[in-house]
Amino acid sequence: QVQLQESGPGLVKPSGTLSLTCAVSGGSFSSGNWWSWVRQPPGKGLEWIGEIDHSGGTNYNPSLKSRVTISVDKSKNHFSLKLSSVTAADTAVYYCARLLEDNITGTTLLDYWGQGTLVTVSS
Amino acid sequence: DIQMTQSPSSLSASVGDRVTITCRASQSINSYLNWYQQKPGKAPKVLIYGASSLQSGVPSRFSGSGSGTDFTLTISSLQPEDLATYYCQESYSTPWTFGQGTKLEIK
Repeated sequence: QVQLQESGPGLVKPSGTLSLTCAVSGGSFSSGNWWSWVRQPPGKGLEWIGEIDHSGGTNYNPSLKSRVTISVDKSKNHFSLKLSSVTAADTAVYYCARLLEDNITGTTLLDYWGQGTLVTVSS
Repeated sequence: DIQMTQSPSSLSASVGDRVTITCRASQSINSYLNWYQQKPGKAPKVLIYGASSLQSGVPSRFSGSGSGTDFTLTISSLQPEDLATYYCQESYSTPWTFGQGTKLEIK
């Protein structure tokens, strides 16, 4: 059973950098999956931020690409998110999730999620 | 980016009712469509992937259909625990995008 747990500061000052880590247990970064970040502003819908694979390959949402860096530390079985130049609009619950490729249908799905962590941008 | 549009945005139904939620993509995404359920204060949970495949452990009252641009999530007999917001998500190309959500309330 794969488990994911987000951690990091719950409060970030405007213009600062949001930094979160997702610890993965029960799964391996060498298994070929991708590992994603998704966020949800209070009372709003879901927005995909980006993803990373075991070798460090990344895909980012173009709307955030200039401010986002996702990295992986296989030795610690965790991956991280950095979002720079934050504003109040970046206040959200941030989730990490595993992106699984289903061998039968060839589709991908976010099958395991962390419980989420609220990050508030405020001075 | 592919735009995903769900309807309705909210609906209220009674226990035992058949409930249908629709999702439309701005371009053809074949069958690369997933459905998620998000209960209040919880992370989303995948229900359906590949438009119609039921995720392991999900009750069989949930089903999905469609291909191309039009998709449907059906709950055959609504249960009290189905109170949640439901999201569709395209898995055709990055950036993965979600519908705006359908909030399901129990009468």
